[in-house]
Amino acid sequence: ETGVTQSPTHLIKTRGQQVTLRCSSQSGHNTVSWYQQALGQGPQFIFQYYREEENGRGNFPPRFSGLQFPNYSSELNVNALELDDSALYLCASSGPTGTGWETQYFGPGTRLLVL
Amino acid sequence: AQSVTQPDIHITVSEGASLELRCNYSYGATPYLFWYVQSPGQGLQLLLKYFSGDTLVQGIKGFEAEFKRSQSSFNLRKPSVHWSDAAEYFCAVGADSSGSARQLTFGSGTQLTVLP
Repeated sequence: ETGVTQSPTHLIKTRGQQVTLRCSSQSGHNTVSWYQQALGQGPQFIFQYYREEENGRGNFPPRFSGLQFPNYSSELNVNALELDDSALYLCASSGPTGTGWETQYFGPGTRLLVL
Repeated sequence: AQSVTQPDIHITVSEGASLELRCNYSYGATPYLFWYVQSPGQGLQLLLKYFSGDTLVQGIKGFEAEFKRSQSSFNLRKPSVHWSDAAEYFCAVGADSSGSARQLTFGSGTQLTVLP
């Protein structure tokens, strides 16, 4: 069973550019969540996708958008990059367990630096 | 809205000593509680979780945590720390967000240093 993988591992962009980050879910998981972790802070929830639909969003502007594909892999897109977008972006997958709350398993993250 | 407080930004212990990391949460309903560990440059690894039932939960790597509803706490403990435990530890509460998403709300983390 493969775990959650993310690509790329590191990325450098300039302010105003657009970026796409990718995530492959753990086998059997149909839900993907994205988190932003700024330096020295805990991760913050961006949004979650379930069966290719966004089903919840944290306090992030619309320039943060996502996609989930039929194989449950996912993309995070950020438009009009700002310096404050520099962070570690974490993807987490979870699957149906029938217990009411599915544990989220995290990938290694993509570190984005905006200059 | 839910929130998590980890009062200790940095803790230093000697190898072999016991460890307790504090976590306090705020949430209106019965919480789902988690502890994750993050090594430098790595993602988050789940140590343990509490959903219901026995308030003392066992996790991986010899860690345990106790849920105390009256104190809104979920402290992480280990009886004897190993040098490889040096990392950052995050407490999180799981809750339903807008829509039907289930999100984790994290504390700001506790950095653990282990002295030889």
